[in-house]
Amino acid sequence: LAKTTQPISMDSYEGQEVNITCSHNNIATNDYITWYQQFPSQGPRFIIQGYKTKVTNEVASLFIPADRKSSTLSLPRVSLSDTAVYYCLVGDIRGAGSYQLTFGKGTKLSVIP
Amino acid sequence: DSGVTQTPKHLITATGQRVTLRCSPRSGDLSVYWYQQSLDQGLQFLIQYYNGEERAKGNILERFSAQQFPDLHSELNLSSLELGDSALYFCASSVGTLRLAEETQYFGPGTRLLVL
Repeated sequence: LAKTTQPISMDSYEGQEVNITCSHNNIATNDYITWYQQFPSQGPRFIIQGYKTKVTNEVASLFIPADRKSSTLSLPRVSLSDTAVYYCLVGDIRGAGSYQLTFGKGTKLSVIP
Repeated sequence: DSGVTQTPKHLITATGQRVTLRCSPRSGDLSVYWYQQSLDQGLQFLIQYYNGEERAKGNILERFSAQQFPDLHSELNLSSLELGDSALYFCASSVGTLRLAEETQYFGPGTRLLVL
């Protein structure tokens, strides 16, 4: 069973750029990579999604290398309100051919004033 | 507000009991997902339904079952509850027309279940 791996936690000062990397072996050829943000006692919220190379929106950038076995979420100039848990999500094909979703364990980002 | 509603917000029950969690997806969404989030296991995908049919299955226990009704709301049934079932249960919805990992999921506020 393929899985995703992320750092458990990261600390950053306000105003700095933060990069969070997710490893995802056996990602299916047509699968996308999606990142979510979660605040305590709330459901996850969509941040960004990509297939390969680089994607940018108003809140983040997503870098995906050619082999697509990892992805990096980049948050520019973080603020205290970015303190949250960040998850990457990829589709996952199990050995029996059934289709599954795999969330990473999540990275707890703490932004320090 | 994601547009996904879940009831109840909190649920306290005893071991061995059965409970039903309810989810209403965003207007227009055909897919519903259920997740369990506990402190030690993180966010675990349980099951997905699309337009009333089961589409994908994750680490859902045999004691748990779900269904999606013709009006597209979904229910997650948890039976023979154990202490370890205490967790936050999230429902999410999506349009449902794309491949699973291409779909943007909109999560509800969750139901906090406490089994005593």
